[in-house]
Amino acid sequence: DAGVIQSPRHEVTEMGQEVTLRCKPISGHNSLFWYRQTMMRGLELLIYFNNNVPIDDSGMPEDRFSAKMPNASFSTLKIQPSEPRDSAVYFCASSLFADGETQYFGPGTRLLVL
Amino acid sequence: QKEVEQNSGPLSVPEGAIASLNCTYSDRGSQSFFWYRQYSGKSPELIMFIYSNGDKEDGRFTAQLNKASQYVSLLIRDSQPSDSATYLCAAYRGTDKLIFGTGTRLQVFP
Repeated sequence: DAGVIQSPRHEVTEMGQEVTLRCKPISGHNSLFWYRQTMMRGLELLIYFNNNVPIDDSGMPEDRFSAKMPNASFSTLKIQPSEPRDSAVYFCASSLFADGETQYFGPGTRLLVL
Repeated sequence: QKEVEQNSGPLSVPEGAIASLNCTYSDRGSQSFFWYRQYSGKSPELIMFIYSNGDKEDGRFTAQLNKASQYVSLLIRDSQPSDSATYLCAAYRGTDKLIFGTGTRLQVFP
């Protein structure tokens, strides 16, 4: 079975540009999570969805960040405008059950904002 | 106080030794606990979870949970250089999300 798929794997952009990260969860999984990982702050939960509905976006750092899940097999995380401090690895994870207990991570997107 | 705390390490152990990784949590409502392994430049990979007090063994890995002390540990027996990675502890509170610690870096030297 294919795992969680993320694209792009690497993104380099200039400050002020829009960045869109994409995620395809494991088929049949009901919950999807977006995380950001940095050396300083570790792994931080940004937002998660149950059955395509955003449940908790309290981890989204600013209004510059937005996430959507238009269907069960696709989600996007958008940063507009991007800033250098957004540079991090962004992971998407999915979970079979709505309780979000056992999560499987995608390979991540390494974002560098210059 | 962070909800899930881990010593950042690095924890250095010789090949063949037992590596002991520790984690404490602050929310007594936490129901289950997970250990993820993350190799440098890779994504976290689930290796074990534990719900009940006591020990749970899976191959060379043993997870230990003491809810009274709010303490979780992961023991790796017969450590190998391939075990060198960062180990993330996570607590699940039954509120749809995991709370991760910042991880402990393990180095196993030949």
